[in-house]
Amino acid sequence: DAKTTQPNSMESNEEEPVHLPCNHSTISGTDYIHWYRQLPSQGPEYVIHGLTSNVNNRMASLAIAEDRKSSTLILHRATLRDAAVYYCILRDVGLNAGNMLTFGGGTRLMVKP
Amino acid sequence: DTAVSQTPKYLVTQMGNDKSIKCEQNLGHDTMYWYKQDSKKFLKIMFSYNNKELIINETVPNRFSPKSPDKAHLNLHINSLELGDSAVYFCASSPWGGGANGELFFGEGSRLTVL
Repeated sequence: DAKTTQPNSMESNEEEPVHLPCNHSTISGTDYIHWYRQLPSQGPEYVIHGLTSNVNNRMASLAIAEDRKSSTLILHRATLRDAAVYYCILRDVGLNAGNMLTFGGGTRLMVKP
Repeated sequence: DTAVSQTPKYLVTQMGNDKSIKCEQNLGHDTMYWYKQDSKKFLKIMFSYNNKELIINETVPNRFSPKSPDKAHLNLHINSLELGDSAVYFCASSPWGGGANGELFFGEGSRLTVL
Protein backbone atom coordinates (compact mmCIF):
# COMPACT_ATOMS: atom_id res chain seq x y z
CA ASP A 1 0.00 0.00 0.00
CA ALA A 2 1.18 3.50 -0.79
CA LYS A 3 2.17 5.61 2.20
CA THR A 4 0.41 8.59 3.70
CA THR A 5 1.80 11.38 5.85
CA GLN A 6 -0.27 13.13 8.50
CA PRO A 7 0.57 15.54 11.33
CA ASN A 8 0.91 13.74 14.65
CA SER A 9 -1.60 15.96 16.39
CA MET A 10 -3.92 18.91 15.93
CA GLU A 11 -6.04 21.05 18.21
CA SER A 12 -9.38 22.60 17.55
CA ASN A 13 -11.96 24.60 19.42
CA GLU A 14 -15.41 23.20 19.88
CA GLU A 15 -17.95 24.22 17.22
CA GLU A 16 -15.24 25.39 14.82
CA PRO A 17 -14.35 23.68 11.54
CA VAL A 18 -11.36 21.36 11.46
CA HIS A 19 -9.22 20.60 8.43
CA LEU A 20 -7.13 17.47 8.76
CA PRO A 21 -4.48 17.20 6.03
CA CYS A 22 -3.00 14.09 4.44
CA ASN A 23 -0.19 13.82 1.91
CA HIS A 24 0.00 10.85 -0.42
CA SER A 25 2.41 11.88 -3.13
CA THR A 26 2.96 8.30 -4.38
CA ILE A 27 -0.73 7.56 -4.87
CA SER A 28 -1.53 5.36 -7.86
CA GLY A 29 -4.48 5.54 -10.20
CA THR A 30 -6.28 2.62 -8.51
CA ASP A 31 -5.88 3.94 -4.95
CA TYR A 32 -8.97 5.12 -3.12
CA ILE A 33 -8.47 7.56 -0.22
CA HIS A 34 -10.12 6.34 2.96
CA TRP A 35 -10.47 8.02 6.34
CA TYR A 36 -11.13 6.20 9.57
CA ARG A 37 -11.18 7.48 13.11
CA GLN A 38 -10.59 5.78 16.42
CA LEU A 39 -12.33 7.16 19.47
CA PRO A 40 -10.72 6.43 22.86
CA SER A 41 -11.02 2.77 23.87
CA GLN A 42 -12.90 1.84 20.70
CA GLY A 43 -12.16 0.20 17.39
CA PRO A 44 -11.60 2.30 14.27
CA GLU A 45 -14.70 3.41 12.40
CA TYR A 46 -15.16 4.42 8.79
CA VAL A 47 -15.56 8.13 8.15
CA ILE A 48 -15.48 8.73 4.40
CA HIS A 49 -13.70 7.76 1.20
CA GLY A 50 -13.18 9.10 -2.31
CA LEU A 51 -11.28 8.62 -5.54
CA THR A 52 -11.06 11.90 -7.42
CA SER A 53 -14.05 14.11 -6.61
CA ASN A 54 -14.83 15.79 -3.32
CA VAL A 55 -17.24 13.82 -1.16
CA ASN A 56 -19.71 14.73 1.55
CA ASN A 57 -21.54 12.56 4.05
CA ARG A 58 -23.22 13.07 7.40
CA MET A 59 -19.93 12.81 9.28
CA ALA A 60 -17.52 14.86 7.23
CA SER A 61 -16.37 16.15 3.86
CA LEU A 62 -13.36 14.99 1.89
CA ALA A 63 -11.53 17.43 -0.35
CA ILE A 64 -9.15 15.80 -2.82
CA ALA A 65 -6.47 17.79 -4.62
CA GLU A 66 -6.66 17.83 -8.39
CA ASP A 67 -3.39 15.87 -8.70
CA ARG A 68 -4.62 13.52 -5.92
CA LYS A 69 -1.34 13.87 -4.05
CA SER A 70 -3.06 15.25 -0.99
CA SER A 71 -6.47 15.34 0.62
CA THR A 72 -8.17 17.05 3.53
CA LEU A 73 -10.79 15.71 5.86
CA ILE A 74 -13.14 18.47 6.95
CA LEU A 75 -15.23 18.33 10.09
CA HIS A 76 -17.59 21.24 9.70
CA ARG A 77 -18.27 21.81 13.37
CA ALA A 78 -16.06 19.96 15.82
CA THR A 79 -17.63 18.60 18.97
CA LEU A 80 -15.96 17.10 22.01
CA ARG A 81 -17.04 13.69 20.72
CA ASP A 82 -14.89 14.20 17.62
CA ALA A 83 -11.71 13.95 19.71
CA ALA A 84 -10.05 10.88 18.22
CA VAL A 85 -7.16 9.64 16.11
CA TYR A 86 -7.91 10.15 12.42
CA TYR A 87 -6.29 7.84 9.90
CA CYS A 88 -5.82 8.57 6.23
CA ILE A 89 -5.39 5.32 4.29
CA LEU A 90 -4.89 4.44 0.65
CA ARG A 91 -6.77 1.39 -0.53
CA ASP A 92 -5.68 -0.18 -3.81
CA VAL A 93 -8.74 -1.66 -5.47
CA GLY A 94 -6.43 -3.23 -8.04
CA LEU A 95 -5.10 -5.66 -5.45
CA ASN A 96 -7.11 -8.74 -4.66
CA ALA A 97 -6.15 -8.69 -1.02
CA GLY A 98 -9.56 -8.92 0.54
CA ASN A 99 -9.83 -5.24 1.35
CA MET A 100 -6.95 -5.22 3.80
CA LEU A 101 -6.21 -1.69 5.07
CA THR A 102 -2.78 -0.56 6.25
CA PHE A 103 -2.96 2.03 9.02
CA GLY A 104 -0.31 4.66 9.62
CA GLY A 105 0.22 6.79 12.69
CA GLY A 106 -2.79 9.04 12.16
CA THR A 107 -3.51 12.50 13.57
CA ARG A 108 -4.66 12.84 17.14
CA LEU A 109 -7.34 15.55 17.18
CA MET A 110 -7.92 17.32 20.46
CA VAL A 111 -11.04 19.44 20.80
CA LYS A 112 -11.11 22.19 23.39
CA PRO A 113 -14.38 23.35 24.94
CA ASP B 1 -27.10 -5.97 18.27
CA THR B 2 -23.35 -5.44 18.07
CA ALA B 3 -22.14 -5.97 14.50
CA VAL B 4 -18.66 -7.27 15.38
CA SER B 5 -18.29 -8.60 18.89
CA GLN B 6 -15.18 -9.81 20.64
CA THR B 7 -14.73 -11.68 23.89
CA PRO B 8 -13.20 -11.20 26.32
CA LYS B 9 -12.78 -7.45 26.40
CA TYR B 10 -9.97 -7.71 28.94
CA LEU B 11 -7.58 -10.57 29.51
CA VAL B 12 -4.75 -10.65 32.06
CA THR B 13 -2.54 -13.71 32.10
CA GLN B 14 0.91 -14.99 32.91
CA MET B 15 3.78 -15.56 30.49
CA GLY B 16 3.77 -19.02 29.00
CA ASN B 17 0.01 -19.49 29.18
CA ASP B 18 -2.25 -20.23 26.20
CA LYS B 19 -5.29 -18.02 25.61
CA SER B 20 -8.00 -17.43 23.03
CA ILE B 21 -9.95 -14.41 21.86
CA LYS B 22 -13.23 -14.96 20.07
CA CYS B 23 -14.81 -12.84 17.37
CA GLU B 24 -18.24 -13.02 15.79
CA GLN B 25 -19.87 -10.82 13.15
CA ASN B 26 -23.56 -10.74 12.29
CA LEU B 27 -23.20 -8.64 9.14
CA GLY B 28 -23.11 -11.53 6.70
CA HIS B 29 -19.60 -10.59 5.57
CA ASP B 30 -17.27 -13.06 3.86
CA THR B 31 -13.99 -11.64 5.11
CA MET B 32 -12.68 -11.27 8.64
CA TYR B 33 -9.45 -9.86 10.02
CA TRP B 34 -7.32 -9.64 13.12
CA TYR B 35 -5.38 -6.45 13.83
CA LYS B 36 -2.95 -5.80 16.66
CA GLN B 37 -2.53 -2.36 18.24
CA ASP B 38 0.58 -2.09 20.38
CA SER B 39 1.49 0.41 23.09
CA LYS B 40 2.61 2.93 20.45
CA LYS B 41 -0.90 2.75 19.03
CA PHE B 42 0.07 1.44 15.59
CA LEU B 43 -2.57 -0.84 14.09
CA LYS B 44 -1.08 -3.78 12.19
CA ILE B 45 -2.86 -6.44 10.19
CA MET B 46 -2.17 -9.96 11.42
CA PHE B 47 -4.51 -12.24 9.49
CA SER B 48 -7.30 -12.15 6.98
CA TYR B 49 -9.76 -14.94 6.29
CA ASN B 50 -12.26 -15.20 3.46
CA ASN B 51 -15.00 -17.82 3.73
CA LYS B 52 -13.03 -19.70 6.37
CA GLU B 53 -9.83 -19.72 4.30
CA LEU B 54 -6.64 -17.89 5.24
CA ILE B 55 -5.70 -15.27 2.65
CA ILE B 56 -3.28 -13.03 4.52
CA ASN B 57 -0.72 -13.91 7.18
CA GLU B 58 1.52 -10.96 7.90
CA THR B 59 4.59 -12.77 9.28
CA VAL B 60 2.95 -13.43 12.60
CA PRO B 61 4.76 -15.96 14.86
CA ASN B 62 3.50 -19.54 14.74
CA ARG B 63 2.33 -19.15 18.33
CA PHE B 64 -0.65 -17.27 16.89
CA SER B 65 -3.18 -19.56 15.27
CA PRO B 66 -6.42 -18.16 13.87
CA LYS B 67 -9.35 -20.50 13.44
CA SER B 68 -12.49 -19.85 11.46
CA PRO B 69 -15.18 -22.48 12.17
CA ASP B 70 -17.57 -20.65 9.84
CA LYS B 71 -17.52 -17.36 8.00
CA ALA B 72 -19.19 -15.52 10.89
CA HIS B 73 -16.45 -16.42 13.38
CA LEU B 74 -12.72 -15.87 13.52
CA ASN B 75 -11.02 -16.85 16.75
CA LEU B 76 -7.44 -16.11 17.72
CA HIS B 77 -5.51 -18.62 19.79
CA ILE B 78 -2.14 -17.67 21.23
CA ASN B 79 0.27 -20.26 22.63
CA SER B 80 3.12 -19.64 25.06
CA LEU B 81 2.27 -16.01 25.66
CA GLU B 82 5.15 -13.53 25.84
CA LEU B 83 5.39 -10.06 27.34
CA GLY B 84 5.50 -8.56 23.84
CA ASP B 85 2.08 -10.01 23.07
CA SER B 86 0.52 -7.43 25.36
CA ALA B 87 -1.63 -5.27 23.11
CA VAL B 88 -5.18 -4.55 22.06
CA TYR B 89 -6.40 -7.00 19.44
CA PHE B 90 -9.14 -5.89 17.06
CA CYS B 91 -11.31 -8.11 14.96
CA ALA B 92 -12.88 -6.67 11.81
CA SER B 93 -15.04 -7.81 8.94
CA SER B 94 -15.98 -6.66 5.45
CA PRO B 95 -17.61 -7.95 2.30
CA TRP B 96 -15.10 -9.68 0.04
CA GLY B 97 -13.34 -6.96 -1.93
CA GLY B 98 -14.77 -4.31 0.36
CA GLY B 99 -18.27 -3.87 -0.96
CA ALA B 100 -19.55 -0.46 -2.03
CA ASN B 101 -17.52 1.60 0.45
CA GLY B 102 -14.53 -0.61 1.08
CA GLU B 103 -15.52 -0.31 4.70
CA LEU B 104 -14.10 -2.42 7.48
CA PHE B 105 -16.26 -2.90 10.54
CA PHE B 106 -14.23 -3.23 13.73
CA GLY B 107 -15.02 -4.73 17.08
CA GLU B 108 -14.31 -2.86 20.30
CA GLY B 109 -11.04 -4.64 20.93
CA SER B 110 -9.67 -7.13 23.42
CA ARG B 111 -6.94 -5.82 25.70
CA LEU B 112 -4.43 -8.55 26.47
CA THR B 113 -1.95 -8.01 29.31
CA VAL B 114 0.80 -10.56 29.80
CA LEU B 115 2.54 -10.43 33.18
